[in-house]
Amino acid sequence: AQSVAQPEDQVNVAEGNPLTVKCTYSVSGNPYLFWYVQYPNRGLQFLLKYITGDNLVKGSYGFEAEFNKSQTSFHLKKPSALVSDSALYFCAVRDPWYSSASKIIFGSGTRLSIRP
Amino acid sequence: NAGVTQTPKFQVLKTGQSMTLQCAQDMNHEYMSWYRQDPGMGLRLIHYSVGAGITDQGEVPNGYNVSRSTTEDFPLRLLSAAPSQTSVYFCASTQTGTDSPLHFGNGTRLTVT
Repeated sequence: AQSVAQPEDQVNVAEGNPLTVKCTYSVSGNPYLFWYVQYPNRGLQFLLKYITGDNLVKGSYGFEAEFNKSQTSFHLKKPSALVSDSALYFCAVRDPWYSSASKIIFGSGTRLSIRP
Repeated sequence: NAGVTQTPKFQVLKTGQSMTLQCAQDMNHEYMSWYRQDPGMGLRLIHYSVGAGITDQGEVPNGYNVSRSTTEDFPLRLLSAAPSQTSVYFCASTQTGTDSPLHFGNGTRLTVT
């Protein structure tokens, strides 16, 4: 069965510093991995995805994520944090090899707080 | 372009009452799903569907029923509401078997007293 873990409930970073939000996954085959963001009182927005190819993928708002197959991780990163990045971030996994219509599972979320 | 539309936005129920949360999408997506969001628990999958007439259970299906009679609609039914079902519910859709991301509705905030 597929699963995804976000080990940190909250990450605190000073504005201008680099940030990392961690995600690890478990699937039976090669995963489809996603990051979503939820701003206060808003719905969820897609940030970026890894399907295949280059292990470093770039997404919206200057975010990027690094896929590491040996560590089964897909950490979200940004070189220089902004106060406006403060939000709730979710990692999600889909195992396309489990079935042709595999479900999409989310992690527990990490609250990112950027202080001025 | 409406995307994924959820109704109602807010609902208060008494324990034991029943209700249906509505979800509709106009993108011809085969895959539709329902999640609940609770503090510290993230998004948990309740039920999902890969096409009309096909549904399956997710991580937390107990207390909820679904059906998929059309490609566009995927209602979530609470047959006998319990306080533990107080949550924010999100409907989401995407193409089946592809790498496309989920499109989310704006959510329904449900309170069961």
